[in-house]
This record gives sequence, structure tokens and C-alpha cells, in this order.
Amino acid sequence: AQKITQTQPGMFVQEKEAVTLDCTYDTSDQSYGLFWYKQPSSGEMIFLIYQGSYDEQNATEGRYSLNFQKARKSANLVISASQLGDSAMYFCAMRGMDSNYQLIWGAGTKLIIKP
Amino acid sequence: DSGVTQTPKHLITATGQRVTLRCSPRSGDLSVYWYQQSLDQGLQFLIQYYNGEERAKGNILERFSAQQFPDLHSELNLSSLELGDSALYFCASSPRTDTSGNTIYFGEGSWLTVV
Repeated sequence: AQKITQTQPGMFVQEKEAVTLDCTYDTSDQSYGLFWYKQPSSGEMIFLIYQGSYDEQNATEGRYSLNFQKARKSANLVISASQLGDSAMYFCAMRGMDSNYQLIWGAGTKLIIKP
Repeated sequence: DSGVTQTPKHLITATGQRVTLRCSPRSGDLSVYWYQQSLDQGLQFLIQYYNGEERAKGNILERFSAQQFPDLHSELNLSSLELGDSALYFCASSPRTDTSGNTIYFGEGSWLTVV
């Protein structure tokens, strides 16, 4: 069965610093997708970035990049030059045939950016 | 803006009542998902529809039901409401269902408070 583990319940980071949010996963699928979502205190769930298991390059979207290490089964989110607006819950998720293509979610990491 | 529209954004109702949450998926998306997010149980997958047909069921209570209409909008019906049903209900959509690559985009959610 697929599983997502986010080991950091909470993080404090100084504004303008880079931050890495950890995500490890477990699956027997060969083909799967990894996703990161942001949930600010207002509640909406915002898609940030996607990495396919066969993608050879790490995904990047603006200040977000995904550090994909397939052999280690990790998909860490890196936020460069953090901003106060980055304070939110961050969820790692994956989907594949093993989960009937439903999203499997991690418990989330609460990120607080300090001014 | 994800392109997924949910109404109402906030709803307060009494125990025992019935409510209907509405969702319009992103243009062109055939697959609609419903999720419940509560403080104690995190993000729970409820049900998925694909092009009008039920595709997958998660932890959906028998008091809850959903459907997807020919125009692809979807409704989630919650009946005999209990205090524990108070939660943030998300609708999400994606173009297809049988792939790990399509991103699932979420609406802003409907906050339900049962009093």
C-alpha cells in the first residue's frame, strides 16, 4: 500500500531564508505522481508542484522546486527566499495505480515564516 | 484561482438537518472528487465521479451521498447532520481518472458548521 510520511509537524524559518520540507513515500508502483499542496489559514488547498516518477529532472515552479530522489523515495519541497505569505500548512501527496489513482496524503507540515 | 467553484463558502446548520454542497469542476475536467477535512481526522477522501458515473468510494458515511450531473457539476448531500460533521468540504477535479500524472485541483472549500 502507498504511504506518505512528513516527519516535520512544524517549522519556523526566518524570512528570506530557503526552507526544505521533507516528504518520503512508499509505493510498489513503477509509475506514480508526487504533488505538493499549500493550505493557508483561510483554508483553500493550493496546488504547488508536480513530479512524475519518470521525470529525470526535478520539477520547478517559480520559487518552488522539488528535490526528487527516487532511490531514496523522497520528494522534498524547497522554497527559496521565503516570504511571510508562505506561512501555511504544506501537504505532500502521491497517486498511482496502487491507490486506484486517489491521492494519498501526508500529515502535513505547518510552516511559519518569522519576520 | 484553481477554476474549481464551490458553493456555499460557509454554512451553519442545526443537527438533524440536510445540506447540499455544490461544485463546478474546471472546464474540461471529467473527474470530480469530494474530500472532508476535519481537525481530528485530517483530509479524508469521500467519493469520486468520472463523467457522471461513480468511480471510487472512500470513507463516505451512509448519511452522505453525491452525484455528478450531465453538465459535470456535482453535488454532495449531507443528511441527518451531527456535530461531528462540522468540517471543511473540498471539491476537486482533474481531466482524467486513470493516470497518476493529471494534477487534481481543489476548490476553496465549503465550511460547514453544525450547531
